[in-house]
Amino acid sequence: EDQVTQSPEALRLQEGESSSLNCSYTVSGLRGLFWYRQDPGKGPEFLFTLYSAGEEKEKERLKATLTKKESFLHITAPKPEDSATYLCAVAGAGGTSYGKLTFGQGTILTVHP
Amino acid sequence: GAVVSQHPSWVICKSGTSVKIECRSLDFQATTMFWYRQFPKQSLMLMATSNEGSKATYEQGVEKDKFLINHASLTLSTLTVTSAHPEDSSFYICSARRTSGFLRAETQYFGPGTRLLVL
Repeated sequence: EDQVTQSPEALRLQEGESSSLNCSYTVSGLRGLFWYRQDPGKGPEFLFTLYSAGEEKEKERLKATLTKKESFLHITAPKPEDSATYLCAVAGAGGTSYGKLTFGQGTILTVHP
Repeated sequence: GAVVSQHPSWVICKSGTSVKIECRSLDFQATTMFWYRQFPKQSLMLMATSNEGSKATYEQGVEKDKFLINHASLTLSTLTVTSAHPEDSSFYICSARRTSGFLRAETQYFGPGTRLLVL
């Protein structure tokens, strides 16, 4: 069974204070790892897809990296508008999980001005 | 971009009535859509996979007779909560899968969600 664990559960940062969110996973044949941002009362917003270890992707103040066991979402010089819940999900190749996403519990990020 | 819409965004109904939620992919075709349920301060829970032109596949523990799914076209899937009860109150979110390659996992794009309150 695919599993995703995100840490920390909650993270409070001052504006401009860079940090990283962690996503550890176990999956039978990784077909893709996804990062989403979710604001309260809204659906998840797609950020990145990573397919293989060593891959990196960037978008504005966010950078996602991937190893064989975990992914990091690095936030550089965050702003209050970056406050949200960040969700990590994996798509595996095994059996009944094919095509489905397994989500972590999310990291609640709060950036104070 | 890839835009997915849901309608309605809010619905309040009486216990025993049925509620239909629509999910549309606006700028791409989606042979597969997914329906999720999210409780407060929890992550997304997959309810069912909706395939265009075929029956939906439900996750273990999800009542297929209560949550009816129809995927009539490549851009529209509907979820009907039949004989709704207060315990069905939740945030329902759909996603549409966009193909990105043969061997790679397709990215799922999510709708804005529908909040259901059953009185």
